[in-house]
Amino acid sequence: DAGVTQSPTHLIKTRGQQVTLRCSPKSGHDTVSWYQQALGQGPQFIFQYYEEEERQRGNFPDRFSGHQFPNYSSELNVNALWLGDSALYLCASSPGGQGDGITQYFGAGTRLSVL
Amino acid sequence: EDQVTQSPEALRLQEGESSSLNCSYTVSGLRGLFWYRQDPGKGPEFLFTLYSAGEEKEKERLKATLTKKESFLHITAPKPEDSATYLCAGGGSNYKLTFGKGTLLTVNP
Repeated sequence: DAGVTQSPTHLIKTRGQQVTLRCSPKSGHDTVSWYQQALGQGPQFIFQYYEEEERQRGNFPDRFSGHQFPNYSSELNVNALWLGDSALYLCASSPGGQGDGITQYFGAGTRLSVL
Repeated sequence: EDQVTQSPEALRLQEGESSSLNCSYTVSGLRGLFWYRQDPGKGPEFLFTLYSAGEEKEKERLKATLTKKESFLHITAPKPEDSATYLCAGGGSNYKLTFGKGTLLTVNP
């Protein structure tokens, strides 16, 4: 059973560029959340997608946007990159109406470096 | 605003020396308290979900407990392979997880 998969694993961009990160949820999961983790910090919630809609959003600017596809996979887009966006970006999936519906399982993350 | 605080920030143990990690939380409409293990450069690995005060869960050398204000992760007779950052998170009525900064555990042989 494949877990949460993210691509790419590493990415290097320059200031002002745009980036797209991708996530495939764990089999049977329909809810995808995105988190940003700076070095030495806990993950910070960006937003959550359910039924192809953004259900909840954290304290991140509009430069951060996302999408969920009919197969439940998701993308995170960041526009106008700046140095402070350098972090590990984590995708997590949860089973929605199945099980407890709230336990989130994480992928290995995408390490984004902005130069 | 939801808040999760973990202590200590770092803990160094000798192999076999048991100890506990603390997680204090203020989460509106708590639906679950979560513990994760994170190795350097990797994503958090799920350990436990606790749903209500008084609940306890165990997995190998780890035991998690929950009160109305705190959760503890007890590590019994740790081994070097238990070295990692342990993250605590609260899940409330707003679907998101609020994480603490983590406790960096080092177990020396």
